[in-house]
Amino acid sequence: EVQLVESGGGLVQPGGSLRLSCAASGFTFSSYWMSWVRQAPGKGLEWVADIKEDGSEKYYVDSVKGRFTISRDNAKSSLYLQMNSLRAEDTAVYYCARDHIDGVETRFDYWGQGTLVTVSS
Amino acid sequence: DIQMTQSPSSLSASVGDRVTITCRASQSISSYLNWYQQKPGKAPKLLIYAASSLQSGVPSRFSGSGSGTDFTLSISSLQPEDFATYYCQQSDNTPLTFGGGTKVEIK
Repeated sequence: EVQLVESGGGLVQPGGSLRLSCAASGFTFSSYWMSWVRQAPGKGLEWVADIKEDGSEKYYVDSVKGRFTISRDNAKSSLYLQMNSLRAEDTAVYYCARDHIDGVETRFDYWGQGTLVTVSS
Repeated sequence: DIQMTQSPSSLSASVGDRVTITCRASQSISSYLNWYQQKPGKAPKLLIYAASSLQSGVPSRFSGSGSGTDFTLSISSLQPEDFATYYCQQSDNTPLTFGGGTKVEIK
């Protein structure tokens, strides 16, 4: 059974940092692109970043470029999101999701339960 | 960035009704369109991928259609467990973008 379990969320002051983790199991982690997707309270879904199977390619939404870094450790089947210079608008539930890619087509076929990040003084 | 616009933003329906949700892309995305269902406090769940392919384990009352810029998600006979928010998502271009969501409520 595929499982994705996020951790590391919490309350942080504006300008602060936080590192999210996602522990994967039930599939060959090193064979999949992975993504972070967030959802602000009461709002819709926003893709944040993704990373290639071997970590050699990374992509970000413009609003987090230069502040967030996605990474992975295939030996530990873990995905990470280092978030620096946090802003109030980064407050959201952050989901880890597996990318299923067929050619160009990408879908998020498994999701974690999410971890809440609150940026507030 | 490709903008995804869903309509309506919410709807009220009864059990057994046929429901249709529309998603429009700001430019052609071929068939690179997915649909998700999200219930309160839960993670999204993939329903339809590549515009019309049913994800494994999803009931056949869900169906998707469309290509280019206009897409629809249909539920043939609404069941109590279908009351949720539905999102479309394009994968033609990075950044991957979602529609604003359609909340399906009980009439």
